[in-house]
Amino acid sequence: RKEVEQDPGPFNVPEGATVAFNCTYSNSASQSFFWYRQDCRKEPKLLMSVYSSGNEDGRFTAQLNRASQYISLLIRDSKLSDSATYLCVSSTGTASKLTFGTGTRLQVTL
Amino acid sequence: DAGVIQSPRHEVTEMGQEVTLRCKPISGHNSLFWYRQTMMRGLELLIYFNNNVPIDDSGMPEDRFSAKMPNASFSTLKIQPSEPRDSAVYFCASSLVEGNSPLHFGNGTRLTVT
Repeated sequence: RKEVEQDPGPFNVPEGATVAFNCTYSNSASQSFFWYRQDCRKEPKLLMSVYSSGNEDGRFTAQLNRASQYISLLIRDSKLSDSATYLCVSSTGTASKLTFGTGTRLQVTL
Repeated sequence: DAGVIQSPRHEVTEMGQEVTLRCKPISGHNSLFWYRQTMMRGLELLIYFNNNVPIDDSGMPEDRFSAKMPNASFSTLKIQPSEPRDSAVYFCASSLVEGNSPLHFGNGTRLTVT
């Protein structure tokens, strides 16, 4: 079983739709969580950290459920430019202990 | 503000040849990471340096892979001899070592071994 699991998708949604991704992690010692975004043939870039209380950054909302060991990312009013692969990441401590999921691909269409 | 710089961007080589990938981390970052990304396995950590010292190389697939960091501004990942199954995108990333400092990735090197 992978330490971080994501639905690979693709999620095909029309522009303006709301879409949610879930991610589960198996290591109960995980302390920190992140969402990274990766465009086709580009490097991953940090989208947002995930805090226990949940956090929002514009159209993006991240939630953490420690009891069920899952993380979610909600994108509201999706844009064409949101089309990318979203990587769920867990960490047991420092940056050296980051574990990446294989990513969920999102395709936003007209 | 220069990010992480990797070279070459693309490398095509024949099986058995030596391949050297290069990375220049962001100035001031004291941690450097080499990752490999494939469709099947996603991003896998190969090796991690802190203050130029290799800390964790448990992800290095086998003895054919080696990595060095002779100074704070340069690292290499070498594959010798290369095999077709090494074909992947290799990313270098750097960060500050503290807490939740994010990783900053380079553009990657797309390696094809024929």
